[in-house]
Amino acid sequence: AQSVTQPDIHITVSEGASLELRCNYSYGATPYLFWYVQSPGQGLQLLLKYFSGDTLVQGIKGFEAEFKRSQSSFNLRKPSVHWSDAAEYFCAVGALDLTGNQFYFGTGTSLTVIP
Amino acid sequence: DAGVTQSPTHLIKTRGQQVTLRCSPKSGHDTVSWYQQALGQGPQFIFQYYEEEERQRGNFPDRFSGHQFPNYSSELNVNALLLGDSALYLCASSLEGLETQYFGPGTRLLVL
Repeated sequence: AQSVTQPDIHITVSEGASLELRCNYSYGATPYLFWYVQSPGQGLQLLLKYFSGDTLVQGIKGFEAEFKRSQSSFNLRKPSVHWSDAAEYFCAVGALDLTGNQFYFGTGTSLTVIP
Repeated sequence: DAGVTQSPTHLIKTRGQQVTLRCSPKSGHDTVSWYQQALGQGPQFIFQYYEEEERQRGNFPDRFSGHQFPNYSSELNVNALLLGDSALYLCASSLEGLETQYFGPGTRLLVL
């Protein structure tokens, strides 16, 4: 069965520090992987996605993620965090088949940024 | 280019009542998916509509039903509301054959 694990419930970093949010997935086929960000009371905004090709993908707001098939991971990184990055981050795997396209989400990682 | 819109933004109901939530997809998109996000959790897939038919469904009871209209907009209906139905309900749209889903701002439902 498909599943997504985000092992870090909450992370605190100082502004300007680097960031890495972990994501592990379980999926039988080649996954479509996504990172979304959610500000309080808001919907989900797409940060980046991986379908195929280069395993290092660039997204908006200076974020990047690396797909590692051997580790079933898709970790999100940012070299220098800004205070405005404080939000909830969700990793998702898209299970696209003949019947549709269902997304499975992790439980999220809450990011706090200290000035 | 209008993104995904949802209405209403907030809703308060009492147990046993029925509720209808609405979603308009991103321009050019023909597929709508609905998700329930309980407080502190990730979104859970409810169902997906394409060509006015439900084509995938998550692990939700029949109290949750939906509809898609010819203009691709969609409704989510929940009957016999329970306290546990209190959540943020998210609508996402995509284009058939493409994988990325774009989310609306959500409707926050509170059941008292």
